[in-house]
Amino acid sequence: GESVGLHLPTLSVQEGDNSIINCAYSNSASDYFIWYKQESGKGPQFIIDIRSNMDKRQGQRVTVLLNKTVKHLSLQIAATQPGDSAVYFCAENIGNDMRFGAGTRLTVKP
Amino acid sequence: GAVVSQHPSRVICKSGTSVKIECRSLDFQATTMFWYRQFPKQSLMLMATSNEGSKATYEQGVEKDKFLINHASLTLSTLTVTSAHPEDSSFYICSVIRGNTEAFFGQGTRLTVV
Repeated sequence: GESVGLHLPTLSVQEGDNSIINCAYSNSASDYFIWYKQESGKGPQFIIDIRSNMDKRQGQRVTVLLNKTVKHLSLQIAATQPGDSAVYFCAENIGNDMRFGAGTRLTVKP
Repeated sequence: GAVVSQHPSRVICKSGTSVKIECRSLDFQATTMFWYRQFPKQSLMLMATSNEGSKATYEQGVEKDKFLINHASLTLSTLTVTSAHPEDSSFYICSVIRGNTEAFFGQGTRLTVV
């Protein structure tokens, strides 16, 4: 059955607009961060990563920003497309341990 | 190609039966694999860390007798949901980490207990 719990935050954007998804992480010792995309019914897929010695990293249409001072991570998606609709998770890596954030559901309106 | 293979992708079982989910690391040997559970509209929740050749490490609140983990080889970990009940219905995902940094996930298993 379905578990009672917190609903995921949602972000709804118009196709073509830029999306910004935010994540707060918990451990100041985390040294590696990853963004994952999870489409309905599938396992999470790697999007982009960043190490703690960087504050910005760009990929194709995506940019990750890291602010270690406030322990904040963001994922920016340029020119959002319908195929970007999914749940996005951030993850922080501490040694061999990986912890996921709550996730944000992105919905792209045509 | 896929780095991690998880099987089955979907399974429906009757209440009271047991279900085994396999997770295979295809490209490299994995001494450690991770099992997650995901409830609808929630994040992945780490259930346990599977260690090759030794007992799994379970997260707080996860029943080790309910969710049996076996990591008998460097490329295979299995999760068995014993005496399944409808509340065990969920999406289960395994992952492996290469070099302490790269994480690869299985395709996930949708378990429905009726």
